[in-house]
Amino acid sequence: ETGVTQSPTHLIKTRGQQVTLRCSSQSGHNTVSWYQQALGQGPQFIFQYYREEENGRGNFPPRFSGLQFPNYSSELNVNALELDDSALYLCASSSRGSSYEQYFGPGTRLTVT
Amino acid sequence: AQRVTQPEKLLSVFKGAPVELKCNYSYSGSPELFWYVQYSRQRLQLLLRHISRESIKGFTADLNKGETSFHLKKPFAQEEDSAMYYCALAYSGNTPLVFGKGTRLSVIA
Repeated sequence: ETGVTQSPTHLIKTRGQQVTLRCSSQSGHNTVSWYQQALGQGPQFIFQYYREEENGRGNFPPRFSGLQFPNYSSELNVNALELDDSALYLCASSSRGSSYEQYFGPGTRLTVT
Repeated sequence: AQRVTQPEKLLSVFKGAPVELKCNYSYSGSPELFWYVQYSRQRLQLLLRHISRESIKGFTADLNKGETSFHLKKPFAQEEDSAMYYCALAYSGNTPLVFGKGTRLSVIA
């Protein structure tokens, strides 16, 4: 059983640019959730995908968008990057029947300069 | 709105001393409560959840609906317990987790 993986590990972008972060869910999981964790804060929910459809969204602007693919892997896209987007982005996968138990990836550290 | 409050950013205790990490929540319904832990250089992982009523690594947590609390306790702290601890809430099936800001536990030898 493979765990949740995320790529890249670290990323540095300039304000105004666009970024794509990737996540491979744990084997057997069909739901992926994305969280943003700013320094000194707990993870904050961005959105969730189930069977390739968005299934809930937190308080994030539309420039945060996502995709889920048939193999349940997922992407997080952020357009028009702002300095405040600098954070650790976490992906978590779960199984629909037991979605309280989320398995987290190691995260992608995004720095916007 | 749902909210999870962890009042202590940092908690330092001596090895062998009891530990209590506080967590309070605000939600009018019946939430599911969790504790997640992040050890140094490791990913966030589930420590325990209230519905299972189990003890993991010596830690327990009891949901007190009257006080809207879910404090994490361990009678004798170990050095390997040093980590970042997050309390989290889910308010219905298949909904996302609402996290507190976390408490860093430092166990001093």
